[in-house]
Amino acid sequence: DAGITQSPRHKVTETGTPVTLRCHQTENHRYMYWYRQDPGHGLRLIHYSYGVKDTDKGEVSDGYSVSRSKTEDFLLTLESATSSQTSVYFCAISAGLAGADSSSYEQYFGPGTRLTVT
Amino acid sequence: QQQVKQSPQSLIVQKGGISIINCAYENTAFDYFPWYQQFPGKGPALLIAIRPDVSEKKEGRFTISFNKSAKQFSLHIMDSQPGDSATYFCAARSGGGSEKLVFGKGTKLTVNP
Repeated sequence: DAGITQSPRHKVTETGTPVTLRCHQTENHRYMYWYRQDPGHGLRLIHYSYGVKDTDKGEVSDGYSVSRSKTEDFLLTLESATSSQTSVYFCAISAGLAGADSSSYEQYFGPGTRLTVT
Repeated sequence: QQQVKQSPQSLIVQKGGISIINCAYENTAFDYFPWYQQFPGKGPALLIAIRPDVSEKKEGRFTISFNKSAKQFSLHIMDSQPGDSATYFCAARSGGGSEKLVFGKGTKLTVNP
């Protein structure tokens, strides 16, 4: 397995509280991603990072912010959690090497964080 | 806006049979098409992937068939086994330097013994 860990693995929180999820990688990959997975919706990209301090929005970014101060860590923050943010959150990484073969496009996923907002 | 349409949502196959999952896309800029396999409680794992300049790629019992003109690609699992029971996702990557993937909604495969 790719060296990706997510913490916490499970969290229950109340509506309106801030929540931060952490993704840590040991592969020194350039790209990191946050997805949410919900029944009937597959995997949807929340935010991604293409380098330290370089981030961009995905298709479901409202209500989420991210930060990447080190290559190995990518944080996802829910400033004020809502019940609609109850989901399983996955972090992924890819090498994204310019000019390289397809293997650089491969995304590897972490084990996920199950978040419940009550 | 879903850019990759996956079907069927669920599939039941007998052991030893062939499982076929289909995906269709509209964006002709897509340049990489991976399939992921996900077991309950686990993260998705890359299974097999193809570039649009190839019509077929086979790895063991898993084969991707790619039809560029129809903008469709499919995953075939030969000699399906109960251990193949999982959710499968197709995905597509935009070209032009984008490293983002767009995923289909998934197919839950059940292989009965």
